[in-house]
Amino acid sequence: GDSVTQMEGPVTLSEEAFLTINCTYTATGYPSLFWYVQYPGEGLQLLLKATKADDKGSNKGFEATYRKETTSFHLEKGSVQVSDSAVYFCAPSDTGRRALTFGSGTRLQVQP
Amino acid sequence: GAVVSQHPSRVICKSGTSVKIECRSLDFQATTMFWYRQFPKQSLMLMATSNEGSKATYEQGVEKDKFLINHASLTLSTLTVTSAHPEDSSFYICSARGTARENQYFGPGTRLLVL
Repeated sequence: GDSVTQMEGPVTLSEEAFLTINCTYTATGYPSLFWYVQYPGEGLQLLLKATKADDKGSNKGFEATYRKETTSFHLEKGSVQVSDSAVYFCAPSDTGRRALTFGSGTRLQVQP
Repeated sequence: GAVVSQHPSRVICKSGTSVKIECRSLDFQATTMFWYRQFPKQSLMLMATSNEGSKATYEQGVEKDKFLINHASLTLSTLTVTSAHPEDSSFYICSARGTARENQYFGPGTRLLVL
C-alpha cells in the first residue's frame, strides 16, 4: 500500500526563518498529494495540494511541488511566523477510493 | 463552505459501554466518509471508508464488530465503539468527500476516554 515518510520533528525555528519539511511517498499510480495542518487543539485543515506531476500547490505563503521523479512533495515557506506553529502532515491520496495515507506529522515550533 | 461537524467533541464512559460518534457534513452531500484514529502525538490511522448506502470497508486489523459504522444518509455517518475498553481511548476523526470534490474535509475530532 501507500506509505509516506516525513522528517521527524520537532522543528524549532526563529520567526522569519526559512522552513523546509521533507516528504517522500510510495504509491501505486499517480496520487494527488496534500499537506494538512493541525493547529493546537483543532482538527486538520487542508493547507495545499497538487494533483499532477510538476504542479505547485501554494497557500498562506507555503509551497510544495509535486516531484514525480523523486516521489517527493516537500513543504517550504520563506519566512515563518509564530502563528505557523502546528503539526504538518503530508498525505498522498490513492487514485481509487481517494483515502489519505498520512505521514507521521512534523511538529513546527516558531519562536519570536 | 465544506464544513464537517462531529458530536460529541469529548466523551468519557465506563468500560463495557458503547459510545456513538456522529459525523455530519453541514453544507454538502458526502458520498464518502472516512474514519480515522489518532493516538497522542502520532499520525492518523485510517480505520474505515464508508459510502452512503453501502457497508463500510475496514482497514486491516480494525474489528468491524467492534467499530460499527453506519452511513445512512448523504450528510451523516456514525461510528459506534461497542463494549469500549480503556485501550479504545483515542481521538477519533472523520472526514467527508462529496461527489465532485477532490478534497476531504475533516471534522474537529472526538476525544474518547474509557475508564
